[in-house]
Amino acid sequence: DAMVIQNPRYQVTQFGKPVTLSCSQTLNHNVMYWYQQKSSQAPKLLFHYYDKDFNNEADTPDNFQSRRPNTSFCFLDIRSPGLGDTAMYLCATSRDLSQGHGPQHFGDGTRLSIL
Amino acid sequence: AQSVSQHNHHVILSEAASLELGCNYSYGGTVNLFWYVQYPGQHLQLLLKYFSGDPLVKGIKGFEAEFIKSKFSFNLRKPSVQWSDTAEYFCAVNTPNNAGNMLTFGGGTRLMVKP
Repeated sequence: DAMVIQNPRYQVTQFGKPVTLSCSQTLNHNVMYWYQQKSSQAPKLLFHYYDKDFNNEADTPDNFQSRRPNTSFCFLDIRSPGLGDTAMYLCATSRDLSQGHGPQHFGDGTRLSIL
Repeated sequence: AQSVSQHNHHVILSEAASLELGCNYSYGGTVNLFWYVQYPGQHLQLLLKYFSGDPLVKGIKGFEAEFIKSKFSFNLRKPSVQWSDTAEYFCAVNTPNNAGNMLTFGGGTRLMVKP
């Protein structure tokens, strides 16, 4: 089945230790998104890729970075995670206008805990 | 900038009760509207979407939503809830001319259905 796959499902890391979360898709969508969802809150968009064009939200912390080496893969890098970065991180994909708009498809998320 | 409000943060119902979750958005132009559901420990799943046409939209699992343009609302309804509908429900909006198809989420409504 075509889907959005996130690895790992759970990640525990130490305060300040860099961590990378991965997302892959088999939908061939040209837009990929990373969201942060803290407990009992709505998903908050961190950034998105429109093909290879990176678009950062204004309030995304500087220690959050992303890479998209090809259409299928996108990575979220947190350079120096703090305790406040404990959250669920969601990857999503969608078609854009050129592919015919469609809803976003979400992965299962990576639950990140910073100790 | 668009925003989405879900006024009910927590709803508790008994099985077979009828459900209506409110969603209001603020944006003066044309919008696409979505309801997503997040079951405990699972990823966000699309329940239904409105792009154009009939303002009464039917989704999966017996859910429907009605787009009322004059009220900037897109309320979610189900005539008879089941215990398995216990989940968090998110309303979301994007604008059709947004090439990146970015979503703005409401704060979510946590529904608990008592057996």
